[in-house]
Amino acid sequence: GDSVTQMEGPVTLSEEAFLTINCTYTATGYPSLFWYVQYPGEGLQLLLKATKADDKGSNKGFEATYRKETTSFHLEKGSVQVSDSAVYFCAQKPQGAQKLVFGQGTRLTINP
Amino acid sequence: GAVVSQHPSRVICKSGTSVKIECRSLDFQATTMFWYRQFPKQSLMLMATSNEGSKATYEQGVEKDKFLINHASLTLSTLTVTSAHPEDSSFYICSAQTGGTDTQYFGPGTRLTVL
Repeated sequence: GDSVTQMEGPVTLSEEAFLTINCTYTATGYPSLFWYVQYPGEGLQLLLKATKADDKGSNKGFEATYRKETTSFHLEKGSVQVSDSAVYFCAQKPQGAQKLVFGQGTRLTINP
Repeated sequence: GAVVSQHPSRVICKSGTSVKIECRSLDFQATTMFWYRQFPKQSLMLMATSNEGSKATYEQGVEKDKFLINHASLTLSTLTVTSAHPEDSSFYICSAQTGGTDTQYFGPGTRLTVL
């Protein structure tokens, strides 16, 4: 079935470090892929998305590229800030479906 | 734009009572709304998908008679937890999507505690 697997957390980095959070998916068709972020005490916010192979989503310095050959959508940021501390969720929307399938979430903590 | 609100933000109730949670899209028409449950430090589990004017579609293992979902208008969906028990304590999150797009906009969630 359709699923999403994320890098297990928690992840702790120092400010200005390079960030990668791995995400892979299994799908029967061609899904759309998403990264959502949940800041402490808030609801999920869409961070970025990509709808087809080789698309790159980007927002707030974060990037992720839809890699069909490796079924991956890894999240990257070149220089993290304390304000990036949050839980990050990778998700797919299976082709033809309305629902989202979420990964387990990765808690990121950035220390000053 | 694309703001989704939930009310209440937190509720405490006694075992055996029913609780209603509202989800509203404030600045767009939501043809589809989704209800999720999130356990501590875990991912979101989809409970049901609700299209405006239609009966909700429940995920496998979710009791439709216990979790009543109504989506009577393009801006409002409600989730009623009937005869709540302590094991229903959780964080309930709704999301809304407008027709022709594949992006869901999430509400801030409702923390339910059943004593």
